[in-house]
Amino acid sequence: TQLLEQSPQFLSIQEGENLTVYCNSSSVFSSLQWYRQEPGEGPVLLVTVVTGGEVKKLKRLTFQFGDARKDSSLHITAAQTGDTGLYLCAGAGNNDMRFGAGTRLTVKP
Amino acid sequence: NAGVTQTPKFQVLKTGQSMTLQCAQDMNHEYMSWYRQDPGMGLRLIHYSVGAGITDQGEVPNGYNVSRSTTEDFPLRLLSAAPSQTSVYFCGCRGAMDEKLFFGSGTQLSVL
Repeated sequence: TQLLEQSPQFLSIQEGENLTVYCNSSSVFSSLQWYRQEPGEGPVLLVTVVTGGEVKKLKRLTFQFGDARKDSSLHITAAQTGDTGLYLCAGAGNNDMRFGAGTRLTVKP
Repeated sequence: NAGVTQTPKFQVLKTGQSMTLQCAQDMNHEYMSWYRQDPGMGLRLIHYSVGAGITDQGEVPNGYNVSRSTTEDFPLRLLSAAPSQTSVYFCGCRGAMDEKLFFGSGTQLSVL
């Protein structure tokens, strides 16, 4: 059982559509991160959210941390083909980061 | 500035063989870690180190050894490879007061 459950596991959409992916846990985290990973590369950090209810925007990407700091969402507006990749959430533990299994997003032209 | 360098990029082993996956960072970060990534499982922590001379186990440490003799290097050793260790391995590092992990580009390992 994953500590962090991400949904959906796979998502295929057309360019220009909006989408939301989710990261849920029964555990409380001091912070939660979102990473994006492309084939053959390591994950790259997109954002860190720290405060319950926090909303951060990164161009067309909007990240929200749940009030109870157990869950988070990533919303992409007007998706582009360059958004294609594996999106991973990770929660901060005492000395490590625990990752979800990821959402594999494909944006078709 | 290379960041985190992992070698080799690809490796094929036979069951029972040993090998070392290399990880080096030039960011002077105290914290280093090894993850394995399997389909549908995400990244699972194998071992980590909070500084030179200090290592600790993660979620899936069995079958792997690590050491941290310098700040820069954090090698991962497989003493007797098993097919269950077929995976993609990522090394990461971060500063002591920073939660941002920097990853290498990974080592794809196949054990036959």
